[in-house]
Amino acid sequence: DVKVTQSSRYLVKRTGEKVFLECVQDMDHENMFWYRQDPGLGLRLIYFSYDVKMKEKGDIPEGYSVSREKKERFSLILESASTNQTSMYLCASDRGNGYEQYFGPGTRLTVT
Amino acid sequence: AQTVTQSQPEMSVQEAETVTLSCTYDTSESDYYLFWYKQPPSRQMILVIRQEAYKQQNATENRFSVNFQKAAKSFSLKISDSQLGDAAMYFCGWGGSNYKLTFGKGTLLTVNP
Repeated sequence: DVKVTQSSRYLVKRTGEKVFLECVQDMDHENMFWYRQDPGLGLRLIYFSYDVKMKEKGDIPEGYSVSREKKERFSLILESASTNQTSMYLCASDRGNGYEQYFGPGTRLTVT
Repeated sequence: AQTVTQSQPEMSVQEAETVTLSCTYDTSESDYYLFWYKQPPSRQMILVIRQEAYKQQNATENRFSVNFQKAAKSFSLKISDSQLGDAAMYFCGWGGSNYKLTFGKGTLLTVNP
């Protein structure tokens, strides 16, 4: 089975802190994605990566950056966390354009 | 803008009955993919069904089927013989040539015993 894991299920951080969310997939997938999920807004794409060290902005990249140094790992970075970044963060991966995306369990981030 | 609209924020169905979740999308691309994903209360999203736009035949997966109307840009999901385990948030999604999926805002399905 494809497995996508995220480093934390729940995370509480203070305003201004630097926050790292880690995602690891074990199926040698080319593409990896970070989404943000908010009630009434659905899933919104923050960033994605289609190859190691390659990244592209999604629909809401402001306030976020990403890193993909190894194929299996994709990190989301909040350089200076703010309260409006309190949300559920979902990581996903797939083996190519148009194929099924596999999702991680999500990280519920609270910024106080 | 290329968007996905799910007009029903919430739906409910009696166990063993049939329910249809609606989805419309807007795209200028001619070759694309459509998906329905399910997110149960435990939160992990899983794929329910996938349709390639060039295929005229509607996709089916056991009790789940779609009604794909390409000209109308409509992609509804029908769940037959609903079960308690079908209770979840359902997201319709669209993907084209640029790796990205665009999702709708979701429909929360409740299954009543």
